[in-house]
Amino acid sequence: GIQVEQSPPDLILQEGANSTLRCNFSDSVNNLQWFHQNPWGQLINLFYIPSGTKQNGRLSATTVATERYSLLYISSSQTTDSGVYFCAVERGDYKLSFGAGTTVTVRA
Amino acid sequence: DAGVTQSPTHLIKTRGQHVTLRCSPISGHKSVSWYQQVLGQGPQFIFQYYEKEERGRGNFPDRFSARQFPNYSSELNVNALLLGDSALYLCASSFGAGDFTDTQYFGPGTRLTVL
Repeated sequence: GIQVEQSPPDLILQEGANSTLRCNFSDSVNNLQWFHQNPWGQLINLFYIPSGTKQNGRLSATTVATERYSLLYISSSQTTDSGVYFCAVERGDYKLSFGAGTTVTVRA
Repeated sequence: DAGVTQSPTHLIKTRGQHVTLRCSPISGHKSVSWYQQVLGQGPQFIFQYYEKEERGRGNFPDRFSARQFPNYSSELNVNALLLGDSALYLCASSFGAGDFTDTQYFGPGTRLTVL
């Protein structure tokens, strides 16, 4: 199956800092989604972004499908941004494959 | 509008038993997907249903089965429980039309512990 690698595995930020999370995938995909899992386990969809760039408030994402990677940008981080960020991809077989995640800790 | 709901919230079973987990999708959503999340790992895809038909299955043994009802709610069944089945089971719903999985909206999950 398709392999999804996320980096870095862990990230510690001071409140107000900016950061970039990366997702590499091993094959062409037609579906890529970013999620945030809060400390209570709830998964929230951030972006549906098989290609191109999208922005939502302090978060933005870019997917370069031809080079098989996606980036998630967090600007002016806040303590509520803490949690695990997952990238998930699919090749059109209705099987969404998740990476291992990046654990983000934002300190006040 | 209510989000995705799952029941029960927590469940404790012993090895060899059977378990049924339930999921109600967001109103208007016709697709339900199930995922297993072991502590410290990303969710692993188990099944996807759309209009009561299975259209995606992950690499899980036949002990795992699911179904979707006419009201689009869904059940996940696991037979002959093993210790390794202990995990957070997540349900996600979506509109479902299209050639691939659309934006997933997750429920709070069911925490299953197998002793």
